Amino acid sequence: ELKVEQNPLFLSMQEGKNYTIYCNYSTTSDRLYWYRQDPGKSLESLFVLLSNGAVKQEGRLMASLDTKARLSTLHITAAVHDLSATYFCAVDDSGGGADGLTFGKGTHLIIQP
Amino acid sequence: DAGVIQSPRHEVTEMGQEVTLRCKPISGHNSLFWYRQTMMRGLELLIYFNNNVPIDDSGMPEDRFSAKMPNASFSTLKIQPSEPRDSAVYFCASILRGTYGYTFGSGTRLTVV
Repeated sequence: ELKVEQNPLFLSMQEGKNYTIYCNYSTTSDRLYWYRQDPGKSLESLFVLLSNGAVKQEGRLMASLDTKARLSTLHITAAVHDLSATYFCAVDDSGGGADGLTFGKGTHLIIQP
Repeated sequence: DAGVIQSPRHEVTEMGQEVTLRCKPISGHNSLFWYRQTMMRGLELLIYFNNNVPIDDSGMPEDRFSAKMPNASFSTLKIQPSEPRDSAVYFCASILRGTYGYTFGSGTRLTVV
């Protein structure tokens, strides 16, 4: 059974600080997704990482993938309040078949002024 | 494209009643997924369809749950009879197989009292 573990599950940080969310998974998949969810809202796709060593950046967020370590990270640089949300990583283990995503529990991020 | 469309957005029903949730995938997408989100269990894949055919329903919690996809543009998730523990947010997602972009609907928040 595929397991996806995120840590931390809860993070409170100050504006301007840097931090990293970690996502470990138990398969050899090379498809790793990061989503953002605001309270009461749907899942917004942030990044899709498709190969070992992949790195993607959007604004203050940067995601990376190490398939050998089965680890993805989501790095937040100089956090701002608008980034407060719950962040999920998810793995597609279908080898290109799109058989659905297995999600981590999510990291609830609060950024305080 | 209007994205994945789910209805209703909110549903409040009494225990024992039948509940039907609806989903219209993105036109051209050939795989459709039903997820359930709760605080305790996070995001769980309930069932998915490829080309309107159910492929894996191992995530469906009980026989009270059933899903259909009569055509490429419509799917339903039915709970009969509903119970308070079915209260959750139910998301539908779709994708074109061979691509990487899972798109989620806005979700249906179900409350069973």
